[in-house]
Amino acid sequence: GQQVQQSPASLVLQEGENAELQCNFSSTATRLQWFYQHPGGRLVSLFYNPSGTKHTGRLTSTTVTNERRGSLHISSSQTTDSGTYFCAIDLTNSAGNKLTFGIGTRVLVRP
Amino acid sequence: AQTIHQWPVAEIKAVGSPLSLGCTIKGKSSPNLYWYWQATGGTLQQLFYSITVGQVESVVQLNLSASRPKDDQFILSTEKLLLSHSGFYLCAWIQGGAETLYFGSGTRLTVL
Repeated sequence: GQQVQQSPASLVLQEGENAELQCNFSSTATRLQWFYQHPGGRLVSLFYNPSGTKHTGRLTSTTVTNERRGSLHISSSQTTDSGTYFCAIDLTNSAGNKLTFGIGTRVLVRP
Repeated sequence: AQTIHQWPVAEIKAVGSPLSLGCTIKGKSSPNLYWYWQATGGTLQQLFYSITVGQVESVVQLNLSASRPKDDQFILSTEKLLLSHSGFYLCAWIQGGAETLYFGSGTRLTVL
């Protein structure tokens, strides 16, 4: 089965609304990371969060490792938040950092 | 400051033709390097990784090969392109033991 599951697959928000993106993984994995892909393709790291809660600006990442889930909360969304958000897990714990990505959540924020 | 540069930005190639994509990382010594592939509208799939010069590990077989001829250079290539090679290729690096993976701006490949 799918090792990293993300939901929802897509999301449309009105500017100012909040959103929560979910990530569920199939093993007791480590190195959960969230990435944002710009509409043009550029990929940037948002969080490295193996457990607990981290905040950056309007974004909050929460990982509950023993429940095999993570979430990304976007507060007061802006049109510039539009893009695709990926959750990724290192399922191997190897030196090679073999990240397995979810299918992503496509977010569209309307003005 | 560290920079990662990928080339070319985009390529349109014929089926059966050769391909070479490049990636250089400046400002970091002995980074771990990675190639990822993304089908249009799809997720990212790790293709290769390299921890040191001259050593490359294959993660997924897609009739592609990779080489690391220099500490700061990672090359992805094939002698014969397939239609299924179309997509977006991303190079990434991480400093060994560090947490954050940094991506290049990618190469968009169209195989006709």
